[in-house]
Amino acid sequence: NAGVTQTPKFQVLKTGQSMTLQCAQDMNHEYMSWYRQDPGMGLRLIHYSVGAGITDQGEVPNGYNVSRSTTEDFPLRLLSAAPSQTSVYFCASSRRDTQYFGPGTRLTVL
Amino acid sequence: AQSVTQLDSQVPVFEEAPVELRCNYSSSVSVYLFWYVQYPNQGLQLLLKYLSGSTLVKGINGFEAEFNKSQTSFHLRKPSVHISDTAEYFCAVRGNTNAGKSTFGDGTTLTVKP
Repeated sequence: NAGVTQTPKFQVLKTGQSMTLQCAQDMNHEYMSWYRQDPGMGLRLIHYSVGAGITDQGEVPNGYNVSRSTTEDFPLRLLSAAPSQTSVYFCASSRRDTQYFGPGTRLTVL
Repeated sequence: AQSVTQLDSQVPVFEEAPVELRCNYSSSVSVYLFWYVQYPNQGLQLLLKYLSGSTLVKGINGFEAEFNKSQTSFHLRKPSVHISDTAEYFCAVRGNTNAGKSTFGDGTTLTVKP
């Protein structure tokens, strides 16, 4: 099993550009989540999903969109990137208790 | 709603000394508790978890934690640390009904000195 995979590993955007961060899991987990990690802070929840077709907002959802058309994939879309979205983004998946994290995407918005 | 407070942002310790990283939480529902470790430029790795049952939980790399419901704490301990334990440690909590919605503390940087 590959576990949770994220692409790309690194990305540089200009203010106003859009992009999609990809996340996939091969463990048939119902739950998937997106977090962002900023220096000196823990992970903050952006959006999460409890199954295909069902998503909900987390603590810091503004500026991000998600959808979940399959169990395996949970992409995160930045509609119009802003410097405040410079961060490391982690995707996670879980069945009932333990979340498994991907390696992260380091995003810089200039 | 739930929250996590990691009481120490940085903990320096000498090699082979014991260490305790402190974590307090608040929640209006029953919770699951977790400790994760993050090495530089890597993702999060689960150290241990408390779901139910025995309040003393043992994890990987010789770490253990004790769930104290009355004090709403979940402190992480190791009796003898190694240089390789230098990393960022995160405490996390979530309600026992939504596996996708965890709340994390701000992290504790453990630095083990020779």
